[in-house]
Amino acid sequence: EPEVTQTPSHQVTQMGQEVILRCVPISNHLYFYWYRQILGQKVEFLVSFYNNEISEKSEIFDDQFSVERPDGSNFTLKIRSTKLEDSAMYFCASSPGQGIVGSYNEQFFGPGTRLTVL
Amino acid sequence: AQSVTQLDSHVSVSEGTPVLLRCNYSSSYSPSLFWYVQHPNKGLQLLLKYTSAATLVKGINGFEAEFKKSETSFHLTKPSAHMSDAAEYFCVVSGPFSGNTPLVFGKGTRLSVIA
Repeated sequence: EPEVTQTPSHQVTQMGQEVILRCVPISNHLYFYWYRQILGQKVEFLVSFYNNEISEKSEIFDDQFSVERPDGSNFTLKIRSTKLEDSAMYFCASSPGQGIVGSYNEQFFGPGTRLTVL
Repeated sequence: AQSVTQLDSHVSVSEGTPVLLRCNYSSSYSPSLFWYVQHPNKGLQLLLKYTSAATLVKGINGFEAEFKKSETSFHLTKPSAHMSDAAEYFCVVSGPFSGNTPLVFGKGTRLSVIA
């Protein structure tokens, strides 16, 4: 069964460093998402991406964050200058994006990348 | 704005006994509601979804949930717990429109199953 994969599973970095989290969505999906979960808190939406551009983003997704689909298979989240409060589990998801208004396209999630900022 | 509240952070049941994980939602319009499960070191997997059709929704692995608008609840149940059900469960709400909108998660309920 196709699944979303994420690498690395755990990333440790120093404050101020840039990190890139990688995701390979399911191959025929059209919508891509990043969510994060700070330890002990809710899973929060960061950004959605469709047709090579951001379709929606939350207040969390500020100028320190960027997303890219560099080669038609990978979907990356970059944090330019990490802060201690960026420590969290980051989940990538994808959905087919087909169907009519009022229908639901399931979002398929990866296993997450645990980012630790020291 | 939409939100969900999962009323228990941890539920512990004995194998073979019923499971009840509670969720209340808040939404300014008719929501779509979901339960996701996360096993250790695995991604979030959709258990079941409510999208304005039948109010009693059946999902995978014997789970079901009932949408009760009057109580703004969407509790998850299973008649008989299995050891493999031990995991983290998330109640999730989304808009009623085309399903590529962001999901809003509850804080999660950790289910422990005792042999």
